[in-house]
Amino acid sequence: AQKVTQAQTEISVVEKEDVTLDCVYETRDTTYYLFWYKQPPSGELVFLIRRNSFDEQNEISGRYSWNFQKSTSSFNFTITASQVVDSAVYFCALSEAWNFNKFYFGSGTKLNVKP
Amino acid sequence: DGGITQSPKYLFRKEGQNVTLSCEQNLNHDAMYWYRQDPGQGLRLIYYSQIVNDFQKGDIAEGYSVSREKKESFPLTVTSAQKNPTAFYLCASRVSDTQYFGPGTRLTVL
Repeated sequence: AQKVTQAQTEISVVEKEDVTLDCVYETRDTTYYLFWYKQPPSGELVFLIRRNSFDEQNEISGRYSWNFQKSTSSFNFTITASQVVDSAVYFCALSEAWNFNKFYFGSGTKLNVKP
Repeated sequence: DGGITQSPKYLFRKEGQNVTLSCEQNLNHDAMYWYRQDPGQGLRLIYYSQIVNDFQKGDIAEGYSVSREKKESFPLTVTSAQKNPTAFYLCASRVSDTQYFGPGTRLTVL
C-alpha cells in the first residue's frame, strides 16, 4: 500500500539556520510522483515541487532544495538560511502514475522560524 | 487572475443543518477535488470529479454530497448526516499530474 511518513511533527529553528524536512514514502509502483506543498497560516496549500520516480536529480530553487533518493525511499526538503516567512506546515505527497486522482499525503511538518 | 476560489472563508452551522461550500476555478481544469483537513492531520479525500456531470466518492464521502454541472464549479454540501463536520475544507483542481488548491473554508458546527 502507498504511504507517506513525515516523522517530524514540529520543528523550531532560529532565522538563518538551515533546516531539513524529512519525507519517507512507500509504494509498490515503479512509476510515481512526489510533491511538496506549503501551507502558511492562511490555510491555502501552495505547490512547491513535483518529482517523478525516474528523475533522481536533486533540485534547487533559490533557498529551497530537494533530495530524492529511491534507495531509501526518501524525498527530503531543505530550506537554507530560513526566514520567518518560511513558517508554515509542509506536506509531502505521493501520487500513482496510473491514477492522478489519488494523492497520499503525509501528516505534515510544522516549521516555526523564530527571529 | 487565474485561480481557485472558495467561499465563504468561515462558515458556522447549527447542528442538523445542511450547508454548501463553494469552489470555483477559472483554470480550465477538468478534474476537481474536495479534501477535509483536521487539526494536526493530513488531507483526506471526500469526493472528486474528472468531468462535468460525473463524480466519484473518495475515502470519507459519508455525510457529504457534490455536484458538477459546470466545468468551473464543484460545490460541496455537508449534510446533517455528517456527524463531525467541524474541519477545514480544501478544494483543488488538477492539470496533468499536479493538484492546485484553493484558500479553504473553515466550517464550525455550533
